[in-house]
Amino acid sequence: KNQVEQSPQSLIILEGKNCTLQCNYTVSPFSNLRWYKQDTGRGPVSLTIMTFSENTKSNGRYTATLDADTKQSSLHITASQLSDSASYICVVSARGNEKLTFGTGTRLTIIP
Amino acid sequence: DAGVIQSPRHEVTEMGQEVTLRCKPISGHNSLFWYRQTMMRGLELLIYFNNNVPIDDSGMPEDRFSAKMPNASFSTLKIQPSEPRDSAVYFCASSFLTGTSTTDTQYFGPGTRLTVL
Repeated sequence: KNQVEQSPQSLIILEGKNCTLQCNYTVSPFSNLRWYKQDTGRGPVSLTIMTFSENTKSNGRYTATLDADTKQSSLHITASQLSDSASYICVVSARGNEKLTFGTGTRLTIIP
Repeated sequence: DAGVIQSPRHEVTEMGQEVTLRCKPISGHNSLFWYRQTMMRGLELLIYFNNNVPIDDSGMPEDRFSAKMPNASFSTLKIQPSEPRDSAVYFCASSFLTGTSTTDTQYFGPGTRLTVL
């Protein structure tokens, strides 16, 4: 069964600090992995999309890494800001169909 | 572009009543997705359409749920009869699928928060 697990479930850090969120998946055959940011009361917004051949991709202060061999991904946030407070959801797509498997997300809180 | 539009934003109804959620995808997109999000289960895909045709409805929980896409600019998700366990946030998303899925970004609407009493 295709699964996506994220850790930690929740994280609280001080403004300005860095943090790393983890994602492990068992989706096969792998097509791509996406990280979404979901602010409270809003729909998810795409941050990065990575295919099998990509190891890292950045979007401003967000950097995602992918290790297709170990089926792990991480999202690193540099110099966190209060606006980074949100849920971050890891989503994996299987090759051959458009069905996405979602992780349950990491709830990140940035405190001043 | 206004993005994906969903209505209503909030819906409170009593058990047994019919509920209809509406979605207008981004103009030019050829695929539309309905999701349900709860605290316990996170985001779950219910059904998705490509070129107005339902492709995968395996996520639809029961016969009480039905979805239609009569044209490229409108879709509905109906629950009849509704039950308290249907309470959740329902998201609609759209994308332009090119066939490779390598860069097909889904754009989500703001969601409809449904409460069934």
